Amino acid sequence: DQQVKQNSPSLSVQEGRISILNCDYTNSMFDYFLWYKKYPAEGPTFLISISSIKDKNEDGRFTVFLNKSAKHLSLHIVPSQPGDSAVYFCAASGNYGQNFVFGPGTRLSVLP
Amino acid sequence: EAGVAQSPRYKIIEKRQSVAFWCNPISGHATLYWYQQILGQGPKLLIQFQNNGVVDDSQLPKDRFSAERLKGVDSTLKIQPAKLEDSAVYLCASSRLYRSGGGTDTQYFGPGTRLTVL
Repeated sequence: DQQVKQNSPSLSVQEGRISILNCDYTNSMFDYFLWYKKYPAEGPTFLISISSIKDKNEDGRFTVFLNKSAKHLSLHIVPSQPGDSAVYFCAASGNYGQNFVFGPGTRLSVLP
Repeated sequence: EAGVAQSPRYKIIEKRQSVAFWCNPISGHATLYWYQQILGQGPKLLIQFQNNGVVDDSQLPKDRFSAERLKGVDSTLKIQPAKLEDSAVYLCASSRLYRSGGGTDTQYFGPGTRLTVL
């Protein structure tokens, strides 16, 4: 039973355009949502997070949007750069950091 | 600041053999996590320590997997005996604290150990 879903296994975007990565979850007890980026042969690195009491969080080129009623969040990257090419994981946890769950990931390719 | 260290980076064993992985978290990080990442899937949490106590081991296959964190610093994860389906990357992560008051701290991941069971 996948509690965190990323239905697009891959996404290709032209350099300079917007990348939108989507994530859906089923567990209404999740309170924190995070995005991690992973390059080959490396561990995931934290990108951005959002608490369930917010609907938007921004950090430079990265913005995460949360629609709690739809149990949906998305990561926007503007503008996309070739160095953003990686696998992006959506993750969620309870309000004390417990029950940490990752989605299956979306591979983003930013084309020059 | 030194990152999370893991060793070995790669390990190939026969099924039914034993294997152990080692993790050294970032200095001062109270919480340590072990994840299993099977090819094409997201990391799955196996066990979570706060200092040297277990916070969550609900997804650890306890008949063959064991983990310990001596003195609240380094940790080892052991598989005995290994099965073919244990082939995966084993990731260790650490974070500053387990927030008993709410919230979640950023997890910092090591490079992982790629295990192949033949």
